[in-house]
Amino acid sequence: DTGVSQDPRHKITKRGQNVTFRCDPISEHNRLYWYRQTLGQGPEFLTYFQNEAQLEKSRLLSDRFSAERPKGSFSTLEIQRTEQGDSAMYLCASSFGTVRGTEAFFGQGTRLTVV
Amino acid sequence: DQQVKQNSPSLSVQEGRISILNCDYTNSMFDYFLWYKKYPAEGPTFLISISSIKDKNEDGRFTVFLNKSAKHLSLHIVPSQPGDSAVYFCAASRPGQGGKLIFGQGTELSVKP
Repeated sequence: DTGVSQDPRHKITKRGQNVTFRCDPISEHNRLYWYRQTLGQGPEFLTYFQNEAQLEKSRLLSDRFSAERPKGSFSTLEIQRTEQGDSAMYLCASSFGTVRGTEAFFGQGTRLTVV
Repeated sequence: DQQVKQNSPSLSVQEGRISILNCDYTNSMFDYFLWYKKYPAEGPTFLISISSIKDKNEDGRFTVFLNKSAKHLSLHIVPSQPGDSAVYFCAASRPGQGGKLIFGQGTELSVKP
């Protein structure tokens, strides 16, 4: 399977704990995105990388959130001191960036539940 | 502000008939539009896209129409099949933003046999 892979698929954590999610993009894709989706809403952009450089962060990404993409390969998204409002589906996507638009391919997501 | 809007939360269609899903946008800078399909507990799956230099793009049973003056796009599925039942999201991107997508809220399509 050469699609976008996310791990874990599900995570239940207690409020105040730290969690880390991993995303492995499609290998030839240079762009990697993180989105968050809550019930009844479309995915909301969090941040994106072009190779290893983090080029944009949404204002949704508070200072408790940090993302990395070492060596332009896989990416991790860490949430520190989780809050109940962080409960959501966290989606990773990748694309091969060109001058004009291109489609992004999504992983199956990590569902986070903060109790 | 909601730059991409899907005003119909749900749509029910009979198998074999046409499904028409609608999407409106407010930002005239958007130049690329996409439709994604999502099953429960899975990530969105890319369906079809259209550049702002076109007004129609077709791929099998799926056709996307873009009306730039009205800032409106639609996805037509003909003929609809029960396996098409899912949530459909439209998304848009603008130049210089690295392919960042702005999504609508989604429309849940139910195709009844």
